[in-house]
Amino acid sequence: AQSVTQLDSHVSVSEGTPVLLRCNYSSSYSPSLFWYVQHPNKGLQLLLKYTSAATLVKGINGFEAEFKKSETSFHLTKPSAHMSDAAEYFCVVAGSNYKLTFGKGTLLTVNP
Amino acid sequence: ETGVTQSPTHLIKTRGQQVTLRCSSQSGHNTVSWYQQALGQGPQFIFQYYREEENGRGNFPPRFSGLQFPNYSSELNVNALELDDSALYLCASSLDVSSTDTQYFGPGTRLTVL
Repeated sequence: AQSVTQLDSHVSVSEGTPVLLRCNYSSSYSPSLFWYVQHPNKGLQLLLKYTSAATLVKGINGFEAEFKKSETSFHLTKPSAHMSDAAEYFCVVAGSNYKLTFGKGTLLTVNP
Repeated sequence: ETGVTQSPTHLIKTRGQQVTLRCSSQSGHNTVSWYQQALGQGPQFIFQYYREEENGRGNFPPRFSGLQFPNYSSELNVNALELDDSALYLCASSLDVSSTDTQYFGPGTRLTVL
């Protein structure tokens, strides 16, 4: 069985300040982990994925995430928020099967 | 660009009716998965098809069924619609069934059941 907990339902930052979106996972197997972003009325877009290679994963648009097995965490960060980053972010785990299990999402608001 | 398309964009049905949603996967992708996203929630896995055979199913009743065709298109059928079926339905395609494969999502079909 696998599960994902996104620790914050809503994060609000000012433009130009760092972003931290927190995610903890549970998996019986060595997991693959993903972060997806969903803009209003748009499909889900992959930001980055971890598949047991380097623990620090770089994604698109300046986002990165670090896999920490001891903490079962996969937090998403970005050094400087941009207005266009405002969206819903989903942490996702895939276990030994093909099924993706999504967290409930974190809404990121970026204030000017 | 993902290349995954879905139709229709929006759909309104009444309780008890049947609905068919369509998805066109990226060319060469052998796997399609369907997800239901209720308002304010993350997507939930309905089922997956690999080379036209059902390859796994989430916690959804049998009135949710699907088909995958050789031309990379697929369908999600829902019978006896209930009010709780109102949601955004997403399809996602991937090359294979490995858990490391990236799933590329379409924009979704918004279903409203009255």
